[in-house]
Amino acid sequence: RKEVEQDPGPFNVPEGATVAFNCTYSNSASQSFFWYRQDCRKEPKLLMSVYSSGNEDGRFTAQLNRASQYISLLIRDSKLSDSATYLCVVNQGGGNKLTFGTGTQLKVEL
Amino acid sequence: ETGVTQSPTHLIKTRGQQVTLRCSSQSGHNTVSWYQQALGQGPQFIFQYYREEENGRGNFPPRFSGLQFPNYSSELNVNALELDDSALYLCASSLSWGGGEKLFFGSGTQLSVL
Repeated sequence: RKEVEQDPGPFNVPEGATVAFNCTYSNSASQSFFWYRQDCRKEPKLLMSVYSSGNEDGRFTAQLNRASQYISLLIRDSKLSDSATYLCVVNQGGGNKLTFGTGTQLKVEL
Repeated sequence: ETGVTQSPTHLIKTRGQQVTLRCSSQSGHNTVSWYQQALGQGPQFIFQYYREEENGRGNFPPRFSGLQFPNYSSELNVNALELDDSALYLCASSLSWGGGEKLFFGSGTQLSVL
């Protein structure tokens, strides 16, 4: 079983749609959780950290369920500029070693 | 702009050769991590350096080695290159090595092994 699993997509959605991405992780001792965004063959950029209480940043909402070892990202009112790959990322402890999922590709269309 | 710079941006090598990739961390950052990202995959942790010492390593063979210098810049060296080493190599710097630190990634070096 992969340490961090994501649906690779692609998710093709019309502009203005709401889209949700899910991710599961295998190590119950994981300590911190993130969503990163990566544009084609560029560096990953931190989108947001994920907390059990849930957190929101504008059109983006992230949620962590520790009991189910499940992380989600919701994007409301999708924009063309949201087209990218979204990486689910887990820090399993021991420094800054991040474990990345394979990423979910989002394409927002007119 | 993260303040993390990597060189070169692209590199072509042949199987069996050796390569050195370089990374300048953001000012004030004493920790550097290296990641390998193969096409269609997420980045994979190679190793981390804190104050010139390796203090964490992923599942990569010894032919992947590194250095960190007193100014906290870093090198990744790969010996005896294999075709599967073709990937985007990413360097990330952070203020420290404690878990949860925000990582600032460079734009990467695209390595092609022929």
